[in-house]
Amino acid sequence: QITLKESGPTLVKPTQTLTLTCTFSGFSLSTSGVGVGWIRQPPGKALEWLALVYWNDDKRYSPSLKSRLTVTKDTSKNHVVLRLTNTDPVDTATYYCAHMVADSDATGHYFSYMDVWGKGTTVTVSS
Amino acid sequence: SYDLTQPPSVSVSPGQTASITCSGDKLGDKYASWYQQQPGQSPVMVMYRDNKRPSGIPERFSGSNSGNTATLTISGTQAMDEADYYCQAWDSSTVVFGGGTKLTVL
Repeated sequence: QITLKESGPTLVKPTQTLTLTCTFSGFSLSTSGVGVGWIRQPPGKALEWLALVYWNDDKRYSPSLKSRLTVTKDTSKNHVVLRLTNTDPVDTATYYCAHMVADSDATGHYFSYMDVWGKGTTVTVSS
Repeated sequence: SYDLTQPPSVSVSPGQTASITCSGDKLGDKYASWYQQQPGQSPVMVMYRDNKRPSGIPERFSGSNSGNTATLTISGTQAMDEADYYCQAWDSSTVVFGGGTKLTVL
């Protein structure tokens, strides 16, 4: 059974760096085709994808937030860390991590999706 | 950047069929996934690779994707299906979400 759990501060001050940890079980991030993604959701708003890291340490970031995001994995500890620098009140949101599957079709077309999500952690950015 | 557009809301009567659309440029050339989010809960994947149902998702959920539109269809909609639904696609090696659709069963 795959489970993921997000952890980190509930309150950060503007301009500080937000560091979140996703601790998972039921899979290994050294297995081919596996990844962990981060998604956030401001109160009352839509999901926004942030970043992902694959088993082979391939990393992808949201183009709009790329300059502020860093994602790292620690396969031995079964966790993934997301860092968001220079936070602002607009970064207030529930942050989710999710197990990702890297899939492909017969034509070699690659794509990914998030099949198991954590419960999320709420972060408020305020002075 | 690639955009996915969903109607903000869809209403359906219990037992009827609900269709939630997701539009994007040549979306049919990509694969769509769908996520259901109940109030106060984390999202749950209900469809992937256009029309594949994950284990545990009822058969009344189905999906299609062609041209510029992906569609999530819920046949025999039940009150428990009332939720927000998000489509997702993979573009330029990044994840893109639609803006979400609130499904109301009334």
